[in-house]
Amino acid sequence: DVKVTQSSRYLVKRTGEKVFLECVQDMDHENMFWYRQDPGLGLRLIYFSYDVKMKEKGDIPEGYSVSREKKERFSLILESASTNQTSMYLCASSSPGTGGAGAFFGQGTRLTVV
Amino acid sequence: DQQVKQNSPSLSVQEGRISILNCDYTNSMFDYFLWYKKYPAEGPTFLISISSIKDKNEDGRFTVFLNKSAKHLSLHIVPSQPGDSAVYFCAVYNQAGTALIFGKGTTLSVSS
Repeated sequence: DVKVTQSSRYLVKRTGEKVFLECVQDMDHENMFWYRQDPGLGLRLIYFSYDVKMKEKGDIPEGYSVSREKKERFSLILESASTNQTSMYLCASSSPGTGGAGAFFGQGTRLTVV
Repeated sequence: DQQVKQNSPSLSVQEGRISILNCDYTNSMFDYFLWYKKYPAEGPTFLISISSIKDKNEDGRFTVFLNKSAKHLSLHIVPSQPGDSAVYFCAVYNQAGTALIFGKGTTLSVSS
């Protein structure tokens, strides 16, 4: 079974802190993604990566950056956390060309910025 | 501009009855349409998908129907069970085929 693991289930950070969310997948997938889920807004794509050191902006990249130094690991960085970044963050991975199989998600990180 | 729309934020159904969740899309070039299920405090899990060359795909209690002329798909759950209570998202790949685009979700509540 594909396993996507996010480093924390719950995080509480202070406004202005630099926050790192880590994600690791064990299925050698080329593609990795970061989404955030907010009530009434669904899942919105922040960034994705289709290869090591490659990244693409999603729909809401402002205030975030990403890092992919190794194929299995994709990190989301909140440069200076703000209260409007309080959300559920979801990491996912997939292989290209497997459209019908979709992407596999981690368990999510509930981030609260105070 | 939303490429995938789920116009019903919530749906309540009695156990044993049919649940029908709907989704509309804008781009006729999408190749695959997917449904995900999400429980609170968990990541979404893949449920079922359908290729654009088909009009129906079935997996146990779950059936997805695709109406290409109307740019509409629906997920049928028969019979509905309390454990089906969750948020359901429909999704498509973006035009580059690199990332999933999700609708806003429909919260299904199945009462016993």
